[in-house]
Amino acid sequence: DVKVTQSSRYLVKRTGEKVFLECVQDMDHENMFWYRQDPGLGLRLIYFSYDVKMKEKGDIPEGYSVSREKKERFSLILESASTNQTSMYLCASRSGKDRGPNNEQFFGPGTRLTVL
Amino acid sequence: AQSVTQLGSHVSVSEGALVLLRCNYSSSVPPYLFWYVQYPNQGLQLLLKYTTGATLVKGINGFEAEFKKSETSFHLTKPSAHMSDAAEYFCAVSENSGYALNFGKGTSLLVTP
Repeated sequence: DVKVTQSSRYLVKRTGEKVFLECVQDMDHENMFWYRQDPGLGLRLIYFSYDVKMKEKGDIPEGYSVSREKKERFSLILESASTNQTSMYLCASRSGKDRGPNNEQFFGPGTRLTVL
Repeated sequence: AQSVTQLGSHVSVSEGALVLLRCNYSSSVPPYLFWYVQYPNQGLQLLLKYTTGATLVKGINGFEAEFKKSETSFHLTKPSAHMSDAAEYFCAVSENSGYALNFGKGTSLLVTP
């Protein structure tokens, strides 16, 4: 079974704090993704990584950065958390082999972040 | 850029009734289309996907979807709703040469007894 795990299910932080959200996958997938999910807006892509040390901005990268030092781990960093970053954050991974875009993304359970 | 539109943010059906969740896509090239389901407090799970070939795609839990190029649609159906089908459903499109999925805004399905 493919497993994508996220370090926390619930997180409460204060404005201005630096926040790390960790994601680990155990399927040797090349591609990893960070989304945020907000009611009425669906899922929006923040950043993705198609391989180790490679990253690309998604649709809403402002206020976020990422790190991918190892293939199995993809971290999302909020340099200085703000209240408008209160959201559900979902990590996903996908095999980049064979028919890349054809392959499904596997999602973690999500981290619900509240910034006070 | 490719995108999807889900008609209806909330759909309510009676247990045993037909489920129909609508998804229309825009794409200048043949798309890859996906339906995901999200149960409360969980991540997303793939229901089914269309890549090439047969236009009627069968997925898990009795769901199916039909790719209609002429209508640019990929509607999700299930003949008989079950209480356990209550969840959020997302339609998504993947670019042929890209990496990411573009998701619709989701449809919340409520199943009433």
